[in-house]
Amino acid sequence: QSVLTQPPSVSGAPGQRVTISCSGGNSNIGAGYGVHWYQQLPGTTPKLLLFGNTNRPSGVPDRFSGSKSGTSASLDISGLQAEDEADYYCQSYDINLSVVFGGGTKLTVL
Amino acid sequence: QVQVVQSGGEVKRPGASVKVSCKTSGYTFTTYGITWVRQAPGQGLEWLGWISTNNGHTKYAPEIQGRVTMTTDTSTSTAYLELGSLRSDDTAVYYCARSYGSGTLSPSAYWGQGTLVTVSS
Repeated sequence: QSVLTQPPSVSGAPGQRVTISCSGGNSNIGAGYGVHWYQQLPGTTPKLLLFGNTNRPSGVPDRFSGSKSGTSASLDISGLQAEDEADYYCQSYDINLSVVFGGGTKLTVL
Repeated sequence: QVQVVQSGGEVKRPGASVKVSCKTSGYTFTTYGITWVRQAPGQGLEWLGWISTNNGHTKYAPEIQGRVTMTTDTSTSTAYLELGSLRSDDTAVYYCARSYGSGTLSPSAYWGQGTLVTVSS
């Protein structure tokens, strides 16, 4: 099991909003370490989507937003589009293990 | 523009070692760290370690500590990952990535295309 827990899958219809959760503990997210999110489109390399909980790199649409509270973080995708269908991973730092990824969430656009 | 280009795929026998290269360009190599991540077939991302391109300091994932060595060649702006005592469960696509910022915990922003390492007898 991953130290950071994500739902294996989420789905939504075009135009809808979906949320992907990333649940950690007091040795990682709860210890104040930032959460980063990556998007991996089918057959491609991962892409940095959000960093430091809420920040978007240049070029990432503002439909993607993040938040963090306590020992968990979330990625919100609004105005869902077919091109958003991908795997999404959260990442943080764990005091005991170093850098850790969530297990990944497959987003299906219905 | 930043470019990260990895070496080609490898097929290795169990117990052997593999060395993957990661050549970068388009920026000052020693300003940003390099992270290595792997992805087994159909699986998620696994962080392997990080190397400072400024001073060579490394941090490895506990699961592969002792089998992995990360190095850099600043003269060619290239990073290397060497993994020894290969097992079948080391079969994966290995990625290198340049950090977004200069800090140790900076996320990975520029990814190589990946190198498939297959371990099979």
